[in-house]
Amino acid sequence: IQMTQSPSTLSASVGDRVTITCRASQSISSRLAWYQQKVGRAPSLLIYQASTLESGVPSRFSGGGSGTEFTLTISSLQPGDFATYYCQQYITYPLTFGGGTKVEIK
Amino acid sequence: QVQVVESGGGVVQPGRSLRLSCAASGFPFSNYAIHWVRQAPGKGLEWVAIMSYDGKNKYYADSVKGRFTISRDNSKSTLFLQMNSLRLEDTAVYYCARGSDSAYNSFDYWGQGTLVTVSS
Repeated sequence: IQMTQSPSTLSASVGDRVTITCRASQSISSRLAWYQQKVGRAPSLLIYQASTLESGVPSRFSGGGSGTEFTLTISSLQPGDFATYYCQQYITYPLTFGGGTKVEIK
Repeated sequence: QVQVVESGGGVVQPGRSLRLSCAASGFPFSNYAIHWVRQAPGKGLEWVAIMSYDGKNKYYADSVKGRFTISRDNSKSTLFLQMNSLRLEDTAVYYCARGSDSAYNSFDYWGQGTLVTVSS
C-alpha cells in the first residue's frame, strides 16, 4: 500500500493552525499512525488508529479520517513542533510510511 | 522505563555481512513484537522487518527479503538483524522499535538507531 503525504514542506508561524494530509492507495480502515521526528532524533508516536492520541501527546495534536484519506492537525503550532511528520499504515505487510512533511519556521 | 538500544553498525564493503543487535529493558520483551525500521541519510522512514513476540512469525520488506534475517533471544531480551549481501542502498540508520500494545504494528518505543554505511 502506497502512502502519499502532502505537502512535503510546510512553512508556518508559531500559533498557526496546520494540517497535513496522508492518502493511502487503498482502504486501510483506521489503521493509521502519525509520528514526529526531530532532527537527529528517533521518531516518536503521536497518534494511532487514525485519531487516538498516544499517552503524553499534547491535545493540540489531532488526527482524523478513515479509508484512504487522513489528516494530522496541529491547532496552535508551538516552537517544539517544528519537525518532520510521517504517516504509516499498519493494516498489512509490508508496513509503509508516507514520504514525510517537514514543518518549518516561516 | 522502556528502553531499546541498538548496536553493531559500522562501515562495511558491498557484498559483505553485518549483524545488528537491539537490547531491550523495562518491559516484558517476550510479550512484544519488535521491528527494524531504517532511514537512509536525508530520506524518509522504511520499514524493514518484524518478528512476533514468540519468534514464530516474521515478515520482511521486499527490498531486503532473502538477504536479511531477523531473530530474537527472549532469554536475553535481544533482537537481531543479520544483514548479508549488503548493497550501497542499504546505507541507513537502523532503528529497533517496539510494536505498540494499543495498535499492533505501529511503533511506540524507538531506539536511538545505529548507522550502517555500505561503501567500497
